Amino acid sequence: SQTIHQWPATLVQPVGSPLSLECTVEGTSNPNLYWYRQAAGRGLQLLFYSVGIGQISSEVPQNLSASRPQDRQFILSSKKLLLSDSGFYLCAWTRQRPYEQYFGPGTRLTVT
Amino acid sequence: KNEVEQSPQNLTAQEGEFITINCSYSVGISALHWLQQHPGGGIVSLFMLSSGKKKHGRLIATINIQEKHSSLHITASHPRDSAVYICAVLSFNQFYFGTGTSLTVIP
Repeated sequence: SQTIHQWPATLVQPVGSPLSLECTVEGTSNPNLYWYRQAAGRGLQLLFYSVGIGQISSEVPQNLSASRPQDRQFILSSKKLLLSDSGFYLCAWTRQRPYEQYFGPGTRLTVT
Repeated sequence: KNEVEQSPQNLTAQEGEFITINCSYSVGISALHWLQQHPGGGIVSLFMLSSGKKKHGRLIATINIQEKHSSLHITASHPRDSAVYICAVLSFNQFYFGTGTSLTVIP
């Protein structure tokens, strides 16, 4: 069976510090991978998606970046966090088809 | 205007009531998802459908492609159904999400 892992579960970071969130998927190959952010009281916002190793598409301009160094690993990074980066970050994967999404447990990031 | 609109935003029901949550979308889609987000934040996929109707236990999801509308029904609601229900559509390999319906079922 397939499993998706995210860590850490919670994170408190000061403004200006770097960020690295990791997501890994087990039990499948060549998944589509997604990073979403959910700000308090708001819907899910797509940040990045990847259809393969080294292939990253960005949906919104921001100070975040993503990388996919391995087939089942997706990393969300920032060199300098802003207060507005606070939120709940979710990683998700889908098969190439039929596209049903499976979500990780999420990382709650608070930038202070 | 958001690509996906849900109603109502908030819903409070008595245990046992029949519940309907609505989703309208404005883009062409290949699939629609209903997701459930529990207070801890974890999200679970309830249904993925592209036509007709699906049923899983007390949950029923319907979609009308011509009207660009989907409904999620919960029969015999229970306090453990309390969660945020999110509608998401897949359009040209991208997902668009509604802002969710917060459901509280009171014993």
